[in-house]
Amino acid sequence: GAVVSQHPSRVICKSGTSVKIECRSLDFQATTMFWYRQFPKQSLMLMATSNEGSKATYEQGVEKDKFLINHASLTLSTLTVTSAHPEDSSFYICSASARGFSYGYTFGSGTRLTVV
Amino acid sequence: QKEVEQNSGPLSVPEGAIASLNCTYSDRGSQSFFWYRQYSGKSPELIMFIYSNGDKEDGRFTAQLNKASQYVSLLIRDSQPSDSATYLCALTLTGGGNKLTFGTGTQLKVEL
Repeated sequence: GAVVSQHPSRVICKSGTSVKIECRSLDFQATTMFWYRQFPKQSLMLMATSNEGSKATYEQGVEKDKFLINHASLTLSTLTVTSAHPEDSSFYICSASARGFSYGYTFGSGTRLTVV
Repeated sequence: QKEVEQNSGPLSVPEGAIASLNCTYSDRGSQSFFWYRQYSGKSPELIMFIYSNGDKEDGRFTAQLNKASQYVSLLIRDSQPSDSATYLCALTLTGGGNKLTFGTGTQLKVEL
């Protein structure tokens, strides 16, 4: 149980375009979704926390107008990278937790974004 | 002081040996601690979580928590080459709700 499906796994886009990444909790209701970014050989950096039906809370230094997060239902959260630039190339990973969830936090499989 | 500190490694152990991974933290009020394994190019997968002082065992893995000394460790018995990965220590901070703060990870290499 506790599976989080993340799509796409890899995406290459042109500079200036937007990319949407989806995360779905398949067998539980994810009241909270976390979005992380990981650069090569670095640890996970939390970008934002989204609660179902509420606006996302962004970490310091993360541009909320550039990284749009939507958590419209208990099973789906999306991250849209708008006007992507090469420096946005990274590994983006979502993670989900549910109220009373005692198993820790389940991660999606990640999305490798390359902006050319 | 960093919120979560781990030696980056690499830590090399021979196959069959015990691998000991350590993590120290600065927030004395931290309550929940997690160990994740991350293979290169993949997302982290949860190995264990621990909330109380002492040891918690799950198969070949044992997590140890000492809140007084502010460290948490992970022991891997009978290490296998497939255990070669980066191990991430994560915890919740006081007032941080349920979001996790990660260490930079320790790279483990299990050699034949």
